[in-house]
Amino acid sequence: EVQLVQSGAEVKKPGESLKISCKGSGYNFIGYWIGWVRQMPGKGLEWMGIIHPADSDTRYSPSFQGQVTISVDKSISTAYLQWTSLKASDTALYFCVRHENLLKYFDFWGHGTLVTVSS
Amino acid sequence: EIVLTQSPGTLSLSPGERATLSCRASQIITSSYLSWYQQRPGQAPSLLIYGAYSRATGVPDRFSGSGSGTDFTLTISRLEPEDFAVYYCQHYDSPPLYTFGQGTKLEIK
Repeated sequence: EVQLVQSGAEVKKPGESLKISCKGSGYNFIGYWIGWVRQMPGKGLEWMGIIHPADSDTRYSPSFQGQVTISVDKSISTAYLQWTSLKASDTALYFCVRHENLLKYFDFWGHGTLVTVSS
Repeated sequence: EIVLTQSPGTLSLSPGERATLSCRASQIITSSYLSWYQQRPGQAPSLLIYGAYSRATGVPDRFSGSGSGTDFTLTISRLEPEDFAVYYCQHYDSPPLYTFGQGTKLEIK
């Protein structure tokens, strides 16, 4: 069974750093791109970027380029989303997703990690 | 950049009725790369339809996708209580760029 298990909810202050994780299991982790999707409170879905675990090839949405860093540790089948200096506007639910390679859809989703940034 | 516009924003129907949700692209898109997702309250989204027409594994056959060019439709033939949720269309384009529509909320009338 394919599973994407994300790290738990975080409460941070503006300016702090954060790294959240997504561990894949039940499939060949290095065979699929892994990505991140943001959902701000009461809003829709926004694609942030993807990474290929085999070679760490990373692509970002122009909206998120330079704002976050996506990384991966294939030895433990885990992808990461990182901020160096959080803002209140980063408060959101973040989902990791597995990308189907041929037809480019998100076939499996993590349960989401809620990040709250507040002073 | 392709923009996906979903309509209506909110659709109020009763169980047993037929639901028709629209997704319109700002330019002609490849239907192979058009997908639909369902998000129930408090849950992660889940894949419903990929390649514009193909149901994902385990999706009931009351869900169907259609369309081409710029206009795509998700149809739910007979609404069940668990179908009341928010629905998103999504498209892939190079370089890569994945775009979502703003969503349609399907609520119980």
